Amino acid sequence: GAGVSQTPSNKVTEKGKYVELRCDPISGHTALYWYRQSLGQGPEFLIYFQGTGAADDSGLPNDRFFAVRPEGSVSTLKIQRTERGDSAVYLCASSAVGTDTQYFGPGTRLTVL
Amino acid sequence: QQQVKQSPQSLIVQKGGISIINCAYENTAFDYFPWYQQFPGKGPALLIAIRPDVSEKKEGRFTISFNKSAKQFSLHIMDSQPGDSATYFCAARVVSGGGNKLTFGTGTQLKVEL
Repeated sequence: GAGVSQTPSNKVTEKGKYVELRCDPISGHTALYWYRQSLGQGPEFLIYFQGTGAADDSGLPNDRFFAVRPEGSVSTLKIQRTERGDSAVYLCASSAVGTDTQYFGPGTRLTVL
Repeated sequence: QQQVKQSPQSLIVQKGGISIINCAYENTAFDYFPWYQQFPGKGPALLIAIRPDVSEKKEGRFTISFNKSAKQFSLHIMDSQPGDSATYFCAARVVSGGGNKLTFGTGTQLKVEL
């Protein structure tokens, strides 16, 4: 079956611009996670959705970052007033209810010039 | 504060040899410890995972050893193959907001040479 997909695969933007990153989880997976992976580092948790609601957003670095999942499936991570330090690979993962395994997408590589 | 410490940063092993990667954690609330494998340009993929009530878990050539009292766990790859060349991440899970919040180590780049 289809895995987690993320679009775009690469995004280059200028400092100060707004970006949206999209995640399509595995069909039927109610849990959705966003992580950020900087070069040479492990993924860092950003936010977790159960259904439509953000159940844990403790990893969002500041109020420039926001994520939504209005229909409980696709999620969008939104970054306002991008900064060069936001450059990283943004990973999305999903999991089925009652299971431990998170399935990761290929990520979106964001470059802020 | 880095809650999961991973070593070594990089590792070169000969084909057929044993690759060993170590991790240590501090938070006793962690209750699930997965290992992920990541190839360049791809997302991490679950390799094997263990819970703290078990001291060892083996799946094919991959074994996790877990020492709860020392708060350490390790991945052993037996009969390492060139196709195993990838970056490996240990992780630890804490249940938060009803979800599985993973904290990852910094990764180990494994290269298996012929």
